[in-house]
Amino acid sequence: EVQLVQSGAEVKKPGESLKISCKGSGYSFTGYWIGWVRQMPGKGLEWMGIIYPGDSETRYSPSFQGQVTISADKSITTAYLQWNSLKASDSAIYFCASQYGEWGCWGQGTLVTVSS
Amino acid sequence: QSALTQPASVSGSPGQSITISCTGTSSDVGGYDYVSWYQQHPGKAPKLMIYDVNNRPSGVSNRFSGSKSANTASLTISGLQAEDEADYYCSSYTSSTTRVFGGGTKLTVL
Repeated sequence: EVQLVQSGAEVKKPGESLKISCKGSGYSFTGYWIGWVRQMPGKGLEWMGIIYPGDSETRYSPSFQGQVTISADKSITTAYLQWNSLKASDSAIYFCASQYGEWGCWGQGTLVTVSS
Repeated sequence: QSALTQPASVSGSPGQSITISCTGTSSDVGGYDYVSWYQQHPGKAPKLMIYDVNNRPSGVSNRFSGSKSANTASLTISGLQAEDEADYYCSSYTSSTTRVFGGGTKLTVL
């Protein structure tokens, strides 16, 4: 079964760092792009960026360039989304999605809450 | 890059057909046949309903269909059912970087 399993919900304070994960299984992880999508409370979906785990080529949407870091460890078939200094406005649900199945495979989402 | 433009809401009665539009530019929707449509129920992950403009993944009802003309893509749902009530998002490949979503359309089944 093709699956993307994301790490659990996080509660952080402004200024803290965070790295959330997305583990792929059931398909060739290195052969398909993985993307990260933000959904702020009550709002729509936003593509943040994508990574090709085979060679770690990464592309960011302009709004997220410099704000987050996307990485992957192909040895453990896991992609990551990282913040160095969280802001309250980073509070959202973050989904990962795989190009496998024409971007039809999605993780369950990770809720990130940033509050003082 | 700007989000693709979708109507905020559409509605229809059971059994009717509705169409949701998704307007972009020649740098995204108009330039590539890589438009997808997603259905999202509250608290759930998005579900792929249409890819590459007019292709349905296995398991998706043939009541869902897609099309494209110039810079506008469309999703049509025929024979509306109560369970179709959800948010719908279009997404397109772009020439600049990654991909871009539409703002989303809330479908209400009356």
